[in-house]
Order: sequence, then C-alpha cells, then structure tokens
Amino acid sequence: KAGVTQTPRYLIKTRGQQVTLSCSPISGHRSVSWYQQTPGQGLQFLFEYFSETQRNKGNFPGRFSGRQFSNSRSEMNVSTLELGDSALYLCASRGQTNTEAFFGQGTRLTVV
Amino acid sequence: KNEVEQSPQNLTAQEGEFITINCSYSVGISALHWLQQHPGGGIVSLFMLSSGKKKHGRLIATINIQEKHSSLHITASHPRDSAVYICAVQRNYGGSQGNLIFGKGTKLSVKP
Repeated sequence: KAGVTQTPRYLIKTRGQQVTLSCSPISGHRSVSWYQQTPGQGLQFLFEYFSETQRNKGNFPGRFSGRQFSNSRSEMNVSTLELGDSALYLCASRGQTNTEAFFGQGTRLTVV
Repeated sequence: KNEVEQSPQNLTAQEGEFITINCSYSVGISALHWLQQHPGGGIVSLFMLSSGKKKHGRLIATINIQEKHSSLHITASHPRDSAVYICAVQRNYGGSQGNLIFGKGTKLSVKP
C-alpha cells in the first residue's frame, strides 16, 4: 500500500501570494487532517476532512482553508501569505475514526 | 500551561542505555499517540494507546489514564533511535477524531 503523499515537498513563495498544498491519503482512508509545524509553536492542528466535509477546524485565521475531493485527496490553501506562515505542513490520514494516523513527509513552505 | 507536557525536552544517551520519555496531559482523552520525527520532517506513528501497555520491538509505551500520564521506553538504545519523539492526545468528545494536541517533543540523541 502506498503511504500518504504530499506535494510539493518544498515551496518558496513571496509575501502576499497564495499557495495550494496537496495530500493524497492511503487508499481507502477517508479522514485527512492537516497540521502546521513551526519551531516556536510546534505542531498545531489546522483542520480535518472526512468524506468531503470539514469536521473540525483549529485556531487559524480564515486565510487557511481546505477541501477534500470525492477520491479523498485533500488540498489546503493559504491566501495572502505572511512571513509567519513559513512552516512544515503535514497531513495525516486515517481509515476510521479513533485509529492510528499515518503522516506524509510534509511540505516545507518558505515565505520570503 | 500546555495541555500536553513532555519531559525531558532534550536527552543524550550512550548506545545501549534504557531511555524513558514522559508525557502528562490535562484534558480528557480517547487515545494517546507516540510519534517519531527524524530530521527532514517525516513523522512515523509508533503507538496509539488508550489503556495499559504496548510493545513493539525495543519500544514500550504505557499509559495510566487515572494519572493522565504516559511513558515511552526504549531498551538497548541505538544511534538510529536518534530523533524527536512527540506525544499527542486525542480529545474524547464525540465527532472529529482528527484533532490531535501535541507535546513540544523530546529530542533524543544516542551516542555510539
């Protein structure tokens, strides 16, 4: 079984631009969660999607959004990028609720 | 105060030593995860547990729900165990299970 795939792995953007990150979960997994990791704040929950519906959202501004497609692939979008958005963005997929989470390798976003 | 506290923050050990990393939490949970993150970013799920003890190879994880405490033990440590170990808890309210709350991580370095 292929693991969780995130693309791209690395990205450099300029302040004010927008960015879209992609996550392909393990085949058959319907839950995809997104997390932001920074040196100062550690790992923080962004949002979770299940069967194309957002089930929960973390404490992030509205510039951060996401969606999930019918094949369970998910995208997250950050608009009007700020320097502080530079981080490692990780997604994780699960088969059912309350089961082990499988993480992707992450997308490292640098905003200059 | 953080909802998930890990100790120690940094740990240096000699190869072969027995290692313990601790995690305390202050919220009601349905499960606790131990994760491993190597340089480069990818996260691997080591254990998910809601009671008792689990063992996988040289790794053992225990949880005491009443005391809201979990430990990760590594027996016969090896330089390849060098990584950041992260404790994450899953709240026990209904609905979304994707919202993990993370500790700050323990950076382990095992010297040959």
